[in-house]
Amino acid sequence: GAVVSQHPSRVICKSGTSVKIECRSLDFQATTMFWYRQFPKKSLMLMATSNEGSKATYEQGVEKDKFLINHASLTLSTLTVTSAHPEDSSFYICSARDPLAGEGSTDTQYFGPGTRLTVL
Amino acid sequence: SQQGEEDPQALSIQEGENATMNCSYKTSINNLQWYRQNSGRGLVHLILIRSNEREKHSGRLRVTLDTSKKSSSLLITASRAADTASYFCATDAYDYKLSFGAGTTVTVRA
Repeated sequence: GAVVSQHPSRVICKSGTSVKIECRSLDFQATTMFWYRQFPKKSLMLMATSNEGSKATYEQGVEKDKFLINHASLTLSTLTVTSAHPEDSSFYICSARDPLAGEGSTDTQYFGPGTRLTVL
Repeated sequence: SQQGEEDPQALSIQEGENATMNCSYKTSINNLQWYRQNSGRGLVHLILIRSNEREKHSGRLRVTLDTSKKSSSLLITASRAADTASYFCATDAYDYKLSFGAGTTVTVRA
């Protein structure tokens, strides 16, 4: 099946620094990618929808200036956590939709392995 | 936004037993999907059931969907230690986004 990668898998940074997380679709072109956040022992919460060539759509309560999303190509979306603080520590997961692989909306959506962010 | 609720929150069973978990949701959906997540890892897609389907099987997995009750169940038969994980349901409400349930943590004891 299709593969989505994330880089880095784990990052530790100091408070106030910015961190960039990459999400790549390895063998298909993803016009749409999604970014989720997961707290320990909790469910995934959708943060934003990343659309190639246009601005990301953020969910209610997600600060767009805090979490910058860029979908520069059909295989790459990046999430930048700006001026990170300890409360931003979380597990960030992306997913990518392959529009050619099936009918319907999210029928075929592939998840990356996640990035563990720890802000000291 | 999160619309699914799952129960139970945690489940501990003996190897070889069946595990059943339930998911309820609030809005109309296009499809409902079940995912597995091992501790600290990404999500693995298990099965998708469309809103016009009532039951679906995949290997040892059986999923049911009752749109009148807005609920779904996932049954894992003949469980194995490797099935130990968290299981999430996710609904797609025709808008290309997935809304995840709270998850059920399953522990299979050898």
